[in-house]
Amino acid sequence: EVHLVESGGGLVKPGGSLRLSCAASGFTFSSFTMIWVRQAPGKGLEWVSSITRDDSYIYYADSVKGRFTISRDNAKNSLYLQMSSLRAEDTAVYYCARDSKGALNWFDPWGQGTLVTVSS
Amino acid sequence: DIQMTQSPSTLSASVGDRVTITCRASQSISTWLAWYQQKPGKAPKVLIYDASSLESGVPSRFSGSGSGTEFTLTISSLQPDDFATYYCQQYNTYSRTFGQGTKVEIK
Repeated sequence: EVHLVESGGGLVKPGGSLRLSCAASGFTFSSFTMIWVRQAPGKGLEWVSSITRDDSYIYYADSVKGRFTISRDNAKNSLYLQMSSLRAEDTAVYYCARDSKGALNWFDPWGQGTLVTVSS
Repeated sequence: DIQMTQSPSTLSASVGDRVTITCRASQSISTWLAWYQQKPGKAPKVLIYDASSLESGVPSRFSGSGSGTEFTLTISSLQPDDFATYYCQQYNTYSRTFGQGTKVEIK
């Protein structure tokens, strides 16, 4: 069964840093583009970042460009999101998701999400 | 970036009603559109992809249509399990933007 499990969320002060992880299982991780999506409390879904199967292409939303870094370790079947210079508006549940068919498709499946709270 | 606009933002309906949600793209996305359902505290789940293809295991009362810039999600007969928030998403570009969501509430 395909499974994604996020970890690393928590409470962090404005200006601080946090690293999220996503552990993948049940599929050939190195064959798929992986994605981070976030959802602020009571708000809609926001695409954050994507990384292609071999790191050759990386994309960021304007709202996080220059502050967040996406990476992956295909040997460990893991996806990461390094977040720095965090702001209150970065408070959200962060979901890890897989491109459904490889690259530039809908997202399926999704992890259960990890909550990041930026507050003093 | 391509902007996705859903309407309405909230919809009140009764069990058995036919429900239609609209999604408009700021530029043509062919049929590169998915619909997701999200319930409180849960991750989104895909219902429809490629604008009109039903995801395996999704009830046939859900259907999608459209191409270019205008798309619809229809629930033919609303069931108690369908009260949730629905999002459209374009995947024509790597910045795969979502609509703002439509909450389907019990009337």
